[in-house]
Amino acid sequence: DQQVKQNSPSLSVQEGRISILNCDYTNSMFDYFLWYKKYPAEGPTFLISISSIKDKNEDGRFTVFLNKSAKHLSLHIVPSQPGDSAVYFCAATPDHWGKLTFGKGITLSVRP
Amino acid sequence: NAGVTQTPKFQVLKTGQSMTLQCAQDMNHNSMYWYRQDPGMGLRLIYYSASEGTTDKGEVPNGYNVSRLNKREFSLRLESAAPSQTSVYFCASSEVFTGRHEQYFGPGTRLTVT
Repeated sequence: DQQVKQNSPSLSVQEGRISILNCDYTNSMFDYFLWYKKYPAEGPTFLISISSIKDKNEDGRFTVFLNKSAKHLSLHIVPSQPGDSAVYFCAATPDHWGKLTFGKGITLSVRP
Repeated sequence: NAGVTQTPKFQVLKTGQSMTLQCAQDMNHNSMYWYRQDPGMGLRLIYYSASEGTTDKGEVPNGYNVSRLNKREFSLRLESAAPSQTSVYFCASSEVFTGRHEQYFGPGTRLTVT
Protein backbone atom coordinates (compact mmCIF):
# COMPACT_ATOMS: atom_id res chain seq x y z
CA ASP A 1 0.00 0.00 0.00
CA GLN A 2 1.67 3.15 -1.22
CA GLN A 3 1.20 5.89 1.35
CA VAL A 4 2.90 8.64 -0.65
CA LYS A 5 1.99 8.83 -4.32
CA GLN A 6 3.54 10.77 -7.14
CA ASN A 7 1.27 9.72 -9.96
CA SER A 8 2.99 11.49 -12.83
CA PRO A 9 6.33 9.87 -13.63
CA SER A 10 7.63 12.79 -15.66
CA LEU A 11 7.13 16.47 -16.43
CA SER A 12 8.65 18.64 -19.15
CA VAL A 13 8.53 22.44 -19.02
CA GLN A 14 10.10 25.36 -20.87
CA GLU A 15 12.86 27.33 -19.20
CA GLY A 16 11.43 30.36 -17.39
CA ARG A 17 7.97 28.84 -16.93
CA ILE A 18 6.48 27.38 -13.78
CA SER A 19 6.97 23.72 -12.84
CA ILE A 20 4.27 22.19 -10.63
CA LEU A 21 5.02 18.80 -9.09
CA ASN A 22 2.22 17.03 -7.28
CA CYS A 23 2.12 14.56 -4.43
CA ASP A 24 -0.76 12.80 -2.65
CA TYR A 25 -0.71 10.90 0.61
CA THR A 26 -3.09 8.52 2.34
CA ASN A 27 -1.81 8.38 5.92
CA SER A 28 -3.56 11.05 7.97
CA MET A 29 -0.90 10.66 10.67
CA PHE A 30 1.74 12.28 8.47
CA ASP A 31 2.80 15.48 10.17
CA TYR A 32 5.72 16.82 8.18
CA PHE A 33 6.39 16.81 4.46
CA LEU A 34 9.62 17.25 2.52
CA TRP A 35 10.79 17.53 -1.07
CA TYR A 36 14.12 16.14 -2.23
CA LYS A 37 15.94 16.58 -5.51
CA LYS A 38 18.17 13.87 -6.95
CA TYR A 39 20.67 13.97 -9.77
CA PRO A 40 21.90 10.70 -11.35
CA ALA A 41 24.61 8.90 -9.37
CA GLU A 42 24.18 11.25 -6.39
CA GLY A 43 22.30 11.08 -3.12
CA PRO A 44 19.04 13.03 -2.66
CA THR A 45 19.43 16.60 -1.48
CA PHE A 46 16.89 18.36 0.71
CA LEU A 47 14.95 21.15 -0.99
CA ILE A 48 12.11 22.40 1.14
CA SER A 49 9.71 21.19 3.81
CA ILE A 50 6.38 22.05 5.37
CA SER A 51 4.74 21.25 8.68
CA SER A 52 1.10 20.19 8.80
CA ILE A 53 0.25 23.34 10.75
CA LYS A 54 1.07 25.46 7.69
CA ASP A 55 -0.37 25.56 4.19
CA LYS A 56 2.52 27.25 2.41
CA ASN A 57 6.28 27.52 2.70
CA GLU A 58 8.52 29.51 0.41
CA ASP A 59 12.27 29.43 -0.19
CA GLY A 60 13.51 31.44 -3.13
CA ARG A 61 12.20 29.93 -6.35
CA PHE A 62 10.63 27.00 -4.51
CA THR A 63 7.21 27.03 -2.83
CA VAL A 64 5.44 24.07 -1.28
CA PHE A 65 1.68 24.11 -0.77
CA LEU A 66 -0.16 21.73 1.54
CA ASN A 67 -3.88 20.95 1.38
CA LYS A 68 -4.55 18.71 4.37
CA SER A 69 -8.21 18.13 3.64
CA ALA A 70 -7.32 16.80 0.20
CA LYS A 71 -4.15 15.07 1.47
CA HIS A 72 -2.27 16.79 -1.33
CA LEU A 73 0.89 18.82 -1.61
CA SER A 74 2.61 20.46 -4.52
CA LEU A 75 6.01 21.95 -5.25
CA HIS A 76 6.14 25.05 -7.45
CA ILE A 77 9.38 26.10 -9.09
CA VAL A 78 9.36 29.59 -10.58
CA PRO A 79 11.11 30.33 -12.87
CA SER A 80 12.28 26.90 -13.95
CA GLN A 81 15.90 26.57 -15.01
CA PRO A 82 17.71 23.82 -16.96
CA GLY A 83 19.70 23.00 -13.80
CA ASP A 84 16.42 22.04 -12.13
CA SER A 85 16.25 18.96 -14.37
CA ALA A 86 16.36 16.05 -11.90
CA VAL A 87 14.18 13.52 -10.11
CA TYR A 88 12.06 15.04 -7.35
CA PHE A 89 10.86 12.95 -4.43
CA CYS A 90 8.07 13.83 -2.05
CA ALA A 91 8.48 12.39 1.46
CA ALA A 92 6.46 12.41 4.67
CA THR A 93 6.90 11.48 8.30
CA PRO A 94 4.36 10.97 11.09
CA ASP A 95 6.64 11.25 14.04
CA HIS A 96 9.47 12.93 15.81
CA TRP A 97 12.02 10.34 14.76
CA GLY A 98 11.92 11.34 11.12
CA LYS A 99 11.31 7.97 9.51
CA LEU A 100 10.54 9.12 5.99
CA THR A 101 8.14 7.48 3.55
CA PHE A 102 9.04 8.43 -0.02
CA GLY A 103 7.02 8.62 -3.21
CA LYS A 104 8.38 7.03 -6.39
CA GLY A 105 9.65 10.32 -7.72
CA ILE A 106 8.95 12.47 -10.77
CA THR A 107 11.52 13.27 -13.44
CA LEU A 108 11.50 16.97 -14.31
CA SER A 109 13.03 18.10 -17.59
CA VAL A 110 13.46 21.83 -18.17
CA ARG A 111 13.94 22.64 -21.86
CA PRO A 112 16.22 25.58 -22.73
CA ASN B 1 33.18 19.11 6.25
CA ALA B 2 32.37 16.04 4.14
CA GLY B 3 28.75 15.55 5.33
CA VAL B 4 27.76 11.89 4.90
CA THR B 5 30.28 9.52 3.36
CA GLN B 6 29.69 5.95 2.21
CA THR B 7 32.06 3.16 1.24
CA PRO B 8 32.33 1.42 -1.10
CA LYS B 9 30.77 3.27 -4.06
CA PHE B 10 30.30 0.08 -6.08
CA GLN B 11 30.30 -3.60 -5.16
CA VAL B 12 29.55 -6.87 -6.96
CA LEU B 13 28.79 -9.92 -4.82
CA LYS B 14 27.96 -13.51 -5.57
CA THR B 15 24.84 -15.02 -4.02
CA GLY B 16 25.59 -16.10 -0.47
CA GLN B 17 28.55 -13.79 0.09
CA SER B 18 28.52 -11.27 2.91
CA MET B 19 29.59 -7.67 3.09
CA THR B 20 29.32 -4.55 5.21
CA LEU B 21 28.43 -1.11 3.88
CA GLN B 22 30.03 1.68 5.84
CA CYS B 23 28.58 5.11 6.59
CA ALA B 24 29.97 8.04 8.53
CA GLN B 25 28.74 11.58 9.17
CA ASP B 26 30.60 14.59 10.51
CA MET B 27 27.61 16.81 11.32
CA ASN B 28 27.25 15.59 14.92
CA HIS B 29 23.75 14.28 14.15
CA ASN B 30 22.08 11.92 16.55
CA SER B 31 19.95 9.98 14.07
CA MET B 32 21.12 7.86 11.14
CA TYR B 33 19.27 5.83 8.51
CA TRP B 34 19.78 3.22 5.80
CA TYR B 35 17.58 3.24 2.68
CA ARG B 36 17.52 1.26 -0.53
CA GLN B 37 16.35 2.53 -3.89
CA ASP B 38 15.21 0.19 -6.65
CA PRO B 39 14.41 1.19 -10.25
CA GLY B 40 11.12 3.07 -10.49
CA MET B 41 10.75 3.10 -6.74
CA GLY B 42 11.22 5.66 -4.06
CA LEU B 43 13.62 5.15 -1.22
CA ARG B 44 12.58 2.55 1.34
CA LEU B 45 13.83 2.57 4.92
CA ILE B 46 15.77 -0.54 5.95
CA TYR B 47 16.90 0.34 9.48
CA TYR B 48 17.39 3.48 11.49
CA SER B 49 19.15 4.57 14.65
CA ALA B 50 17.42 7.37 16.52
CA SER B 51 20.44 7.89 18.74
CA GLU B 52 23.72 6.24 19.61
CA GLY B 53 23.09 2.82 21.14
CA THR B 54 19.66 2.28 19.59
CA THR B 55 18.56 0.68 16.32
CA ASP B 56 15.13 -0.14 14.93
CA LYS B 57 13.66 -1.84 11.90
CA GLY B 58 12.23 0.13 9.05
CA GLU B 59 9.99 -0.95 6.20
CA VAL B 60 12.26 -3.61 4.60
CA PRO B 61 14.69 -5.01 7.23
CA ASN B 62 14.75 -8.69 6.20
CA GLY B 63 18.20 -9.91 5.18
CA TYR B 64 20.04 -7.00 6.81
CA ASN B 65 21.67 -6.18 10.12
CA VAL B 66 23.01 -2.86 11.37
CA SER B 67 25.49 -1.59 13.91
CA ARG B 68 25.64 1.92 15.35
CA LEU B 69 29.34 1.85 16.11
CA ASN B 70 29.45 5.33 17.64
CA LYS B 71 27.73 8.66 17.06
CA ARG B 72 29.45 9.11 13.68
CA GLU B 73 29.21 5.65 12.15
CA PHE B 74 26.33 3.38 11.14
CA SER B 75 27.04 0.21 9.18
CA LEU B 76 24.73 -2.09 7.22
CA ARG B 77 25.58 -5.79 6.89
CA LEU B 78 24.32 -8.34 4.40
CA GLU B 79 25.04 -11.76 5.90
CA SER B 80 24.10 -13.85 2.86
CA ALA B 81 23.50 -11.71 -0.19
CA ALA B 82 20.62 -12.51 -2.56
CA PRO B 83 19.89 -11.17 -6.07
CA SER B 84 16.83 -9.37 -4.61
CA GLN B 85 19.27 -7.19 -2.66
CA THR B 86 20.66 -5.71 -5.86
CA SER B 87 19.97 -2.03 -5.30
CA VAL B 88 21.43 1.38 -4.56
CA TYR B 89 21.91 1.91 -0.84
CA PHE B 90 21.82 5.34 0.76
CA CYS B 91 22.82 6.33 4.25
CA ALA B 92 21.39 9.49 5.80
CA SER B 93 21.61 11.45 9.02
CA SER B 94 19.49 14.05 10.76
CA GLU B 95 19.14 15.97 13.98
CA VAL B 96 15.57 15.32 15.06
CA PHE B 97 16.13 16.54 18.61
CA THR B 98 16.11 20.11 17.34
CA GLY B 99 12.73 19.56 15.70
CA ARG B 100 14.19 19.51 12.23
CA HIS B 101 13.21 16.58 10.03
CA GLU B 102 15.40 17.00 6.98
CA GLN B 103 17.84 14.19 6.38
CA TYR B 104 21.20 14.55 4.68
CA PHE B 105 22.16 11.75 2.33
CA GLY B 106 25.42 10.18 1.27
CA PRO B 107 26.28 9.53 -2.40
CA GLY B 108 25.12 5.91 -2.30
CA THR B 109 26.56 2.43 -2.79
CA ARG B 110 25.55 0.58 -5.94
CA LEU B 111 25.39 -3.14 -5.12
CA THR B 112 24.92 -5.95 -7.63
CA VAL B 113 24.35 -9.52 -6.46
CA THR B 114 24.78 -12.17 -9.14
